[in-house]
Amino acid sequence: AQRVTQPEKLLSVFKGAPVELKCNYSYSGSPELFWYVQYSRQRLQLLLRHISRESIKGFTADLNKGETSFHLKKPFAQEEDSAMYYCALAIQGAQKLVFGQGTRLTINP
Amino acid sequence: DVKVTQSSRYLVKRTGEKVFLECVQDMDHENMFWYRQDPGLGLRLIYFSYDVKMKEKGDIPEGYSVSREKKERFSLILESASTNQTSMYLCASRSPGDNYGYTFGSGTRLTVV
Repeated sequence: AQRVTQPEKLLSVFKGAPVELKCNYSYSGSPELFWYVQYSRQRLQLLLRHISRESIKGFTADLNKGETSFHLKKPFAQEEDSAMYYCALAIQGAQKLVFGQGTRLTINP
Repeated sequence: DVKVTQSSRYLVKRTGEKVFLECVQDMDHENMFWYRQDPGLGLRLIYFSYDVKMKEKGDIPEGYSVSREKKERFSLILESASTNQTSMYLCASRSPGDNYGYTFGSGTRLTVV
């Protein structure tokens, strides 16, 4: 069955420190993976997608098929990065997204 | 910018009531979705729709139904609300050619008492 696992419900780091939000997936097909972010009092929005291999707001994520992971990383955390982060997997011909449980990231000053 | 509008930000309903949650999008998207968002559980898909009058069950459809009579509107119906349906409900839409980018509404926080 398709599954996305984010093992950390909460993650707290200091400003300027590196950040890594973990995401592991289970899927028999070719995976398409995404990170979504929800800032306080804002709607959920797309942060980045693995197919684009882009860096958004300093965040990057590399798909590792061997480890079935898609961890989100940023070398130097900023206070405005505090938010809820969801990893998501596209399935069924990309008609559906399966989300992980989410990680609440807090950046301490 | 695509806009997905959910008609109510907060709702309080009584157990057993029939509840309608409305979602409207303004960019002619074919696909629309209803998720519920619960702490520790993430987003879980309730129902989705590929096009007008088409619907498909998601992972947790029990106790819910949907209606899509017009392309822009996708309604979620709780036939007989129960306290375990207290949650944040998120509507989303996408165009199939859009590289999977979903646009979400701001959510409806439903409390069933």
